[in-house]
Amino acid sequence: DVKVTQSSRYLVKRTGEKVFLECVQDMDHENMFWYRQDPGLGLRLIYFSYDVKMKEKGDIPEGYSVSREKKERFSLILESASTNQTSMYLCASSDGLAGGQDEQFFGPGTRLTVL
Amino acid sequence: SQQGEEDPQALSIQEGENATMNCSYKTSINNLQWYRQNSGRGLVHLILIRSNEREKHSGRLRVTLDTSKKSSSLLITASRAADTASYFCATVSGAGSYQLTFGKGTKLSVIP
Repeated sequence: DVKVTQSSRYLVKRTGEKVFLECVQDMDHENMFWYRQDPGLGLRLIYFSYDVKMKEKGDIPEGYSVSREKKERFSLILESASTNQTSMYLCASSDGLAGGQDEQFFGPGTRLTVL
Repeated sequence: SQQGEEDPQALSIQEGENATMNCSYKTSINNLQWYRQNSGRGLVHLILIRSNEREKHSGRLRVTLDTSKKSSSLLITASRAADTASYFCATVSGAGSYQLTFGKGTKLSVIP
């Protein structure tokens, strides 16, 4: 079974802190994604990566950056956390056979609270 | 921007009944996918239907796609309490697109 793991289930940070959210997948997938999920807004794509060291902006990249140094690991970085970044963050991966158009496998999510 | 819009936003049924959720979208698609999310957890992929398909089955799930109406429906037959979850449709548009665009979801409650 594909497994996508995220470094924390719950995280509490202070405004202005630099925050790292880590995601690891064990199925040698080419594509990895970061979403945030907010009540009434559904899932919104922040960034994705289709190869090591490659990244593409999603719908809401402002205030975030990403890093993909190894194929299995995709990190989301909040350079200076703000209260409006309090949210559930979901990582996902998919294989490259269909150009990223097939099913995505999700991690359990990290619920981040910024005080 | 949101592509899919699920309807209804919330649905409550008795165990054993069928549950139908609808999804409408705005632009042409390559495929449409349905996902389930149990409370506070990650999403699980249920089924994918391509733009040239009209109907697909998987166990107790039946998905239809009407590209002329830009809509899809997810039917869960003989529902169980364990089906209680939020259900999302997601669309992929454009050749070479990596992006899944999710709707806001339907919250299904199945009462034992």
